[in-house]
Amino acid sequence: GENVEQHPSTLSVQEGDSAVIKCTYSDSASNYFPWYKQELGKRPQLIIDIRSNVGEKKDQRIAVTLNKTAKHFSLHITETQPEDSAVYFCAASNNAGNMLTFGGGTRLMVKP
Amino acid sequence: EPEVTQTPSHQVTQMGQEVILRCVPISNHLYFYWYRQILGQKVEFLVSFYNNEISEKSEIFDDQFSVERPDGSNFTLKIRSTKLEDSAMYFCASSVSGRANEQFFGPGTRLTVL
Repeated sequence: GENVEQHPSTLSVQEGDSAVIKCTYSDSASNYFPWYKQELGKRPQLIIDIRSNVGEKKDQRIAVTLNKTAKHFSLHITETQPEDSAVYFCAASNNAGNMLTFGGGTRLMVKP
Repeated sequence: EPEVTQTPSHQVTQMGQEVILRCVPISNHLYFYWYRQILGQKVEFLVSFYNNEISEKSEIFDDQFSVERPDGSNFTLKIRSTKLEDSAMYFCASSVSGRANEQFFGPGTRLTVL
């Protein structure tokens, strides 16, 4: 089955700096890669996703890149703000089913 | 904006007891899911449900677990005889369609087994 690894597990940045979170996956059939943000005690919320037919997607301060050959994808947050502080999860799924396999999460702390 | 809802928000039960966790998916969604998150760990898939039957399940989803859509709005997860290791946050999710579509998560039910 699919295995998703996520790094780093914690990340501390100064407000205004960029943050990068990386994930690798094992199943070459995976073709959908969402990123979820989970604030303390709240539900995971999708912030951006990418499908395997594109290499990069951007939405304002958030971007995701995908390297299918290397089987890794990354989340980039620019101009970080204190409200970006949360746990971020990457996930992967494939056309064989619709289950999401999650990475272990990254706790991002943005210091004002 | 429509949201997935879950009840109760917190359930405390004794080991060996049965619990039913309830979810109301977004009304036009057709695919429903249960995930769990043990404290401090990753979110883990349990089961997906479509057209009134299980479409996929993980190894975690053993004979102690069952799911049901008893009516047109609710989606339930039953744990027949709870164990200490079932203590976790259980998230329900739904999506318009399967395969590479956004899954919307509910707020979760924190299950504590004593």
